[in-house]
Amino acid sequence: GESVGLHLPTLSVQEGDNSIINCAYSNSASDYFIWYKQESGKGPQFIIDIRSNMDKRQGQRVTVLLNKTVKHLSLQIAATQPGDSAVYFCAENTQGGGSQGNLIFGKGTKLSVKP
Amino acid sequence: DAGITQSPRHKVTETGTPVTLRCHQTENHRYMYWYRQDPGHGLRLIHYSYGVKDTDKGEVSDGYSVSRSKTEDFLLTLESATSSQTSVYFCAISRVQGYTEAFFGQGTRLTVV
Repeated sequence: GESVGLHLPTLSVQEGDNSIINCAYSNSASDYFIWYKQESGKGPQFIIDIRSNMDKRQGQRVTVLLNKTVKHLSLQIAATQPGDSAVYFCAENTQGGGSQGNLIFGKGTKLSVKP
Repeated sequence: DAGITQSPRHKVTETGTPVTLRCHQTENHRYMYWYRQDPGHGLRLIHYSYGVKDTDKGEVSDGYSVSRSKTEDFLLTLESATSSQTSVYFCAISRVQGYTEAFFGQGTRLTVV
């Protein structure tokens, strides 16, 4: 619910502008990355993913960029809309079995879109 | 939306009482997960299951147990609830482990007083 947004970095953008949300991941062995969107009172929802053999992947209005050299992931949202207001999480995992295959989540960024 | 149902959606319980949260899926996915979400900590894995009767610990498993007697159901039990377990709990499922997204339920808000 609303308490998810407390203590989070916040990005405030004007409707129609582009948004860039950044994420630094921790495990250099991670080879799969996901962005999730979480609206207030709901569970996280898959947006887009990327594998480590790619630098960029595009979806509908969203683009994910991966820089393995500095372990950095970004989500770009084009023409941001009020419906994009949410908390955004990056997540990482590896192809390894056991606990290595479980998703590890970042702490999230709150996106606020001003009309 | 993936067919994941969590119950109850909200619960208030007293310290020291046992609590069981249920996750039910209709996707026949092999892997099921329980996460907790707290301000400043994001989503942290409590336990996960890789098949019927096959479970393993996650990052924050102390004070929690799980059971999976059927593919579709994954139960999370707090044997003796404490105030530190006040949180929002999410169940998630995935078809395989690694290299794939997980689908999340709507969450259960648990308050321990």
